Amino acid sequence: EAGVTQFPSHSVIEKGQTVTLRCDPISGHDNLYWYRRVMGKEIKFLLHFVKESKQDESGMPNNRFLAERTGGTYSTLKVQPAELEDSGVYFCASSQLGGLAGLPYEQYFGPGTRLTVT
Amino acid sequence: DAKTTQPPSMDCAEGRAANLPCNHSTISGNEYVYWYRQIHSQGPQYIIHGLKNNETNEMASLIITEDRKSSTLILPHATLRDTAVYYCIVRVARDDKIIFGKGTRLHILP
Repeated sequence: EAGVTQFPSHSVIEKGQTVTLRCDPISGHDNLYWYRRVMGKEIKFLLHFVKESKQDESGMPNNRFLAERTGGTYSTLKVQPAELEDSGVYFCASSQLGGLAGLPYEQYFGPGTRLTVT
Repeated sequence: DAKTTQPPSMDCAEGRAANLPCNHSTISGNEYVYWYRQIHSQGPQYIIHGLKNNETNEMASLIITEDRKSSTLILPHATLRDTAVYYCIVRVARDDKIIFGKGTRLHILP
């Protein structure tokens, strides 16, 4: 079974440009999460989709970031316009929906997209 | 903020058991203890989780104290490939985001 995939693996753009990151979750996983790690900092949560709906977007840094998950399958994260402080590694993760007992299933992470804004 | 405290780094000889401690003194009754690790340049990887009882899988064992205020992740026979940052995380019993702390950087020494 294929894992979580992310595209591109690396992206180098200039300040002010737009970049779109893509995440394909594991088939059948309704939960999809975006995280990022900026240089020297901890991995931080950005947002959480349940199917096509945004469940929690409390970690989105500002309105330059737009995440979508049309049809509840793959997701995109667009940064427009990109700033220098947006550089970092962006991770996507997916998991099954919790069962009746509410047990949070483990999240499976993709390899990340390394974004460099110059 | 992360609700766990871990040592910033640890060393372990190859072939020996690596014991990684974690304090989570404010854990509440519906929170699980999860462990993930991040090997350099890869995405975080799930290792194991538990609520009250000790757990074991093919990767590791998780020992949770009776009062649930601390736990230990045990890698029984560490190899060089286990060199990574290990994160101890507490999560509520729903499909919640992961709040990563600084983790423990484990160095496996040949």
